[in-house]
Amino acid sequence: AQSVTQLGSHVSVSEGALVLLRCNYSSSVPPYLFWYVQYPNQGLQLLLKYTSAATLVKGINGFEAEFKKSETSFHLTKPSAHMSDAAEYFCAVSPHTGTASKLTFGTGTRLQVTL
Amino acid sequence: GAGVSQSPSNKVTEKGKDVELRCDPISGHTALYWYRQSLGQGLEFLIYFQGNSAPDKSGLPSDRFSAERTGGSVSTLTIQRTQQEDSAVYLCASSQGATGANVLTFGAGSRLTVL
Repeated sequence: AQSVTQLGSHVSVSEGALVLLRCNYSSSVPPYLFWYVQYPNQGLQLLLKYTSAATLVKGINGFEAEFKKSETSFHLTKPSAHMSDAAEYFCAVSPHTGTASKLTFGTGTRLQVTL
Repeated sequence: GAGVSQSPSNKVTEKGKDVELRCDPISGHTALYWYRQSLGQGLEFLIYFQGNSAPDKSGLPSDRFSAERTGGSVSTLTIQRTQQEDSAVYLCASSQGATGANVLTFGAGSRLTVL
């Protein structure tokens, strides 16, 4: 069975500082990996996804994530935080085989950006 | 439509009552998913529909929960004899296909409060 672990339910950074949100996955084979963002009272929006092409994936709003098989990680980063980045971020995994794109989500990390 | 539409956006009900939540997916999307988002619990998979195939009901927490998808489009999630632990945001998502790489587009959710 696949799973993802997000370290840190809450992360606080200053505006302009580096954002690092951690995600580790557990899977017998490298899966597909996703980061979604949820703004208050909204649904989830895709930030980026890894589908076994380039290991460094660039997404929207200046975010990127690097797939590291040796560390079973897919951490999300952004060089300079903006106030508008305050939201909840979810890492998710999907099986690489089979036909179901049934995502398994982490418990989420709430990002706070302070002045 | 342009996005995934869910109704009602908010529902308050009394314990023991039945509720129906509706999801209208993106036109042309063959796959439809229901997830539940409880406070501090992340997103929990409930059920998945793909075309005319039998739905994957493996995530439904009890037999009080059921869902149907009519005509391969609109879906209704029904919770019978609601309990307070059913209080959560119910998110619907759809995708064009059903491989692991497909991106899910989420609706804004239906917030259910059981008194």
